[in-house]
Amino acid sequence: EVQLVESGGGLVQPGGSLRLSCAASGFTFSSYEMNWVRQAPGKGLEWVSYISSSGSTIYYADSVKGRFTISRDNAKNSLYLQMNSLRAEDTAVYYCAGEGSWFDPWGQGTLVTVSS
Amino acid sequence: EVVMTQSPATLSVSPGERATLSCRASQSVSSNLAWYQQKPGQAPRLLIYGASTRATGFPPRFSGSGSGTEFTLTISSLQSEDFAVYYCQQYNNWPPGAFGQGTKVEIK
Repeated sequence: EVQLVESGGGLVQPGGSLRLSCAASGFTFSSYEMNWVRQAPGKGLEWVSYISSSGSTIYYADSVKGRFTISRDNAKNSLYLQMNSLRAEDTAVYYCAGEGSWFDPWGQGTLVTVSS
Repeated sequence: EVVMTQSPATLSVSPGERATLSCRASQSVSSNLAWYQQKPGQAPRLLIYGASTRATGFPPRFSGSGSGTEFTLTISSLQSEDFAVYYCQQYNNWPPGAFGQGTKVEIK
């Protein structure tokens, strides 16, 4: 069964840091381009970041550029998102999602709340 | 940057009726458009890609059409499990993979 499982979310103060992880199983992770997509409470979907299958190509949304870092470890079938200088507007459910054009599969998401 | 606009924001439909959802791109995205279904408390799920190809697991009552800047998602006969929020997303001018703001299909 194809599965993506995110972890690492939680409550963090403004200016703080958090590292999200996404564990993949049931498919050849090293062949998949991967993304992080977020959804603020009651809002729509926002693409956050992309990484190629090898990790050599990376893109970020302007809203997180310079603050977030995407990475992957193909030996561990894992995707990561290091989030620094967090702001209240970063509060959202963060999903990892596969592929580089349309997004499939998706994890169940992990909630990040930035609040004092 | 391509902007995706969905209409209407909310669509009230009775079970068994037809639902037609629209998605417009601010510039041509060819057929590089996907649709997603999201139910409350769940992750989005890929429904349509390439503007008209149904993803695995979705029945034929779901169909997508359009190209360029105008796209339509049609649900021919709404079932109870189809009430959800639907998002379109372009992947022609990438990144970013811009999403529309969503259309909520609710029970009338």
